Amino acid sequence: AQSVTQPDIHITVSEGASLELRCNYSYGATPYLFWYVQSPGQGLQLLLKYFSGDTLVQGIKGFEAEFKRSQSSFNLRKPSVHWSDAAEYFCAVGAGNNNDMRFGAGTRLTVKP
Amino acid sequence: KAGVTQTPRYLIKTRGQQVTLSCSPISGHRSVSWYQQTPGQGLQFLFEYFSETQRNKGNFPGRFSGRQFSNSRSEMNVSTLELGDSALYLCASSLALSNINEQFFGPGTRLTVL
Repeated sequence: AQSVTQPDIHITVSEGASLELRCNYSYGATPYLFWYVQSPGQGLQLLLKYFSGDTLVQGIKGFEAEFKRSQSSFNLRKPSVHWSDAAEYFCAVGAGNNNDMRFGAGTRLTVKP
Repeated sequence: KAGVTQTPRYLIKTRGQQVTLSCSPISGHRSVSWYQQTPGQGLQFLFEYFSETQRNKGNFPGRFSGRQFSNSRSEMNVSTLELGDSALYLCASSLALSNINEQFFGPGTRLTVL
């Protein structure tokens, strides 16, 4: 069965600083990988996804993620964080043949002015 | 195009009662998945419906059930509520049965069990 680990429960960065959120997955086959963002009181919004091909994927709101099979990782990055990026971020892995996704515990991002 | 809608947004029930939550997917979407989100367990997959049939199920007791109607709207039911069922229940819709299609999430129903 697939599983996801997000090692960082809470991260604080200054506005304008770079950001990297870590995600490690466990899955026997080729994973379908996702990053979602959840603002307080809201549902989840897809930032980006990886199925195959180029291991560096671009998403919305200036986010990107890099798939590294050798490290079983799919870390999310942003070169310059904005105050509006403060939210909870979830990494997820799916099997591809259904919509069952396994989510990590989430990383809460705080942005300092 | 309207997004995924969930009703009600908030519910308060007492232990032993049952509850029904509703989800209306994006028009044209035929797959509806349900997730439970709690501070302790995080986001957990409940089940997925496609063409009125349950296609996939997570590791939850039989008290959690669902159904899907011919217009793709879905309901989930929790019987004999327990305190631990307090959670945000999220519904997500997708075009078809595959992670290749983006899942769009609704705002959730916040269930409190007293």
